[in-house]
Amino acid sequence: DAGVIQSPRHEVTEMGQEVTLRCKPISGHNSLFWYRQTMMRGLELLIYFNNNVPIDDSGMPEDRFSAKMPNASFSTLKIQPSEPRDSAVYFCASRTGLEAFFGQGTRLTVV
Amino acid sequence: EDQVTQSPEALRLQEGESSSLNCSYTVSGLRGLFWYRQDPGKGPEFLFTLYSAGEEKEKERLKATLTKKESFLHITAPKPEDSATYLCAVQYTGNQFYFGTGTSLTVIP
Repeated sequence: DAGVIQSPRHEVTEMGQEVTLRCKPISGHNSLFWYRQTMMRGLELLIYFNNNVPIDDSGMPEDRFSAKMPNASFSTLKIQPSEPRDSAVYFCASRTGLEAFFGQGTRLTVV
Repeated sequence: EDQVTQSPEALRLQEGESSSLNCSYTVSGLRGLFWYRQDPGKGPEFLFTLYSAGEEKEKERLKATLTKKESFLHITAPKPEDSATYLCAVQYTGNQFYFGTGTSLTVIP
């Protein structure tokens, strides 16, 4: 298996633009997580899905953030409109047991 | 209130100098405690899962232990390639992982 695949690896966008981050979980994994990592706050859980259903989105910072999982093999995290304070590395992780496996992340820079 | 606290924030070791990293947690009802390694520009890489107090896991120069309040990651005779950030995460009831802020380890040749 290729592991969790995220795209793009790097994204630079202007303030106010819409940004969409993509994730393909490991086949057979039934839980998917979106995390944000910054130097100040470390890894923060944004939202997680179980069997494609959003279970807890209490970590989503604002209404500007939204996430979808239309099927078991694809998820998106959208930021609209983006702001400079959204600059961070965004990770997707998936799991079937207790251990979670992470993608390589998307480094987002909002200028 | 922080649920997971890691210490020290940063650690510099000479090659071969053994040491330990600490991860303490404050809430009961632990389902699992996890150690990850993160290299610059990469996602966290899974190392160990510990489920109950007294449990130990080993992998090469790393050994993880768990008590009712904390976990230690012992590094024996480290090498420069062990340099990375080590993250601890805990899972309580529910499906969420809560991560500590990590310990940045540098091993000097």
